[in-house]
Amino acid sequence: LAKTTQPISMDSYEGQEVNITCSHNNIATNDYITWYQQFPSQGPRFIIQGYKTKVTNEVASLFIPADRKSSTLSLPRVSLSDTAVYYCLVAGGDTGGFKTIFGAGTRLFVKA
Amino acid sequence: GAVVSQHPSWVICKSGTSVKIECRSLDFQATTMFWYRQFPKQSLMLMATSNEGSKATYEQGVEKDKFLINHASLTLSTLTVTSAHPEDSSFYICSADSGRNNEQFFGPGTRLTVL
Repeated sequence: LAKTTQPISMDSYEGQEVNITCSHNNIATNDYITWYQQFPSQGPRFIIQGYKTKVTNEVASLFIPADRKSSTLSLPRVSLSDTAVYYCLVAGGDTGGFKTIFGAGTRLFVKA
Repeated sequence: GAVVSQHPSWVICKSGTSVKIECRSLDFQATTMFWYRQFPKQSLMLMATSNEGSKATYEQGVEKDKFLINHASLTLSTLTVTSAHPEDSSFYICSADSGRNNEQFFGPGTRLTVL
């Protein structure tokens, strides 16, 4: 299974764009990159998923370079309610099967 | 998106008792569900992979006789914590595999407190 590395924490202010980068150097050919958001005492919530290049949805963008060894989650104009832990996961139909191993995640603090 | 529910959302029990937690996929079928445990300010730790109609696959260090998993249907998996002790107090989260690119949908979690 591909191991992921993210910054432990990040601070931002309301209205700013936040970019969280995740390293996954040993990503397998058929692995997908998925980002989740988790608030205290809640289950993780799906944010976005991608395989390569750029993916955008109504809440975030995901940038994946050609070598796929990293990915960047971009949150436009964050608000206080975006304070949460963000997890980058890499998994797919590789030899590890479909199970998902969570890394430490990035704790984002959004200040007023 | 797909919805996964857990029941109960919280439970308090005495040491030595058993507690069952249910995980249901409400609007889709999931042949594979996962169980995680999360301690305060830590990441989710995968405990086991639950496959419908077969035995669960446990991660290293997780006692299969203590954490009984049953996945009897495509929409329901249960985790039973047998003879619970205070160190089993944790936040238990399940997820269901959507079958699409390993996208998982997570339940809201169950807070277990063992006195």
